[in-house]
Amino acid sequence: AQKVTQAQTEISVVEKEDVTLDCVYETRDTTYYLFWYKQPPSGELVFLIRRNSFDEQNEISGRYSWNFQKSTSSFNFTITASQVVDSAVYFCALFSTGGGNKLTFGTGTQLKVEL
Amino acid sequence: DSGVTQTPKHLITATGQRVTLRCSPRSGDLSVYWYQQSLDQGLQFLIQYYNGEERAKGNILERFSAQQFPDLHSELNLSSLELGDSALYFCASSVGSRGVSDTQYFGPGTRLTVL
Repeated sequence: AQKVTQAQTEISVVEKEDVTLDCVYETRDTTYYLFWYKQPPSGELVFLIRRNSFDEQNEISGRYSWNFQKSTSSFNFTITASQVVDSAVYFCALFSTGGGNKLTFGTGTQLKVEL
Repeated sequence: DSGVTQTPKHLITATGQRVTLRCSPRSGDLSVYWYQQSLDQGLQFLIQYYNGEERAKGNILERFSAQQFPDLHSELNLSSLELGDSALYFCASSVGSRGVSDTQYFGPGTRLTVL
């Protein structure tokens, strides 16, 4: 069985603060893929990043960065200098063939960025 | 815009009724996935089709069924609706099939309200 845990239900920050969203996953497979999606108030799910289990390099895209650590089964997401437009629910997800060929989502972290 | 389209955006119906949700995948994508997002269950995978064939099944109720047509669009049929079926239903699409974890791109969702 596979599982994704996002322990932070809600985070509130003031604009320009840095914020890290935690994601811990469980899988018995050696090959798997991790994803982050953003769900803004409008409701759609927006793909942010995909990572495979063999690539532990950290990734940076503008103000977004991701830290993948197999040793701790974590795939954390950091937003630098947060902005009000970053307010959304962020989901971490896991795909592995042993997990039934489906994306398993965490429960999401609601990020509120205030002025 | 992910390129995945879903209709209708909103649907309000009564208990016991049947509805059909429609999804058109991104151009070139052969796989279609259906997800249900509700407050109590979170984001749950329902079913996947690849090039017209069912490829993976998740927590889909027997009252629900889906199919993918030769033009690759998909329909999710929900029957004998109950209050608890009220949710946001997402369609996603990707290029590949079973065992290949392509990135899934999500449509805007159909919000179903059962009264």
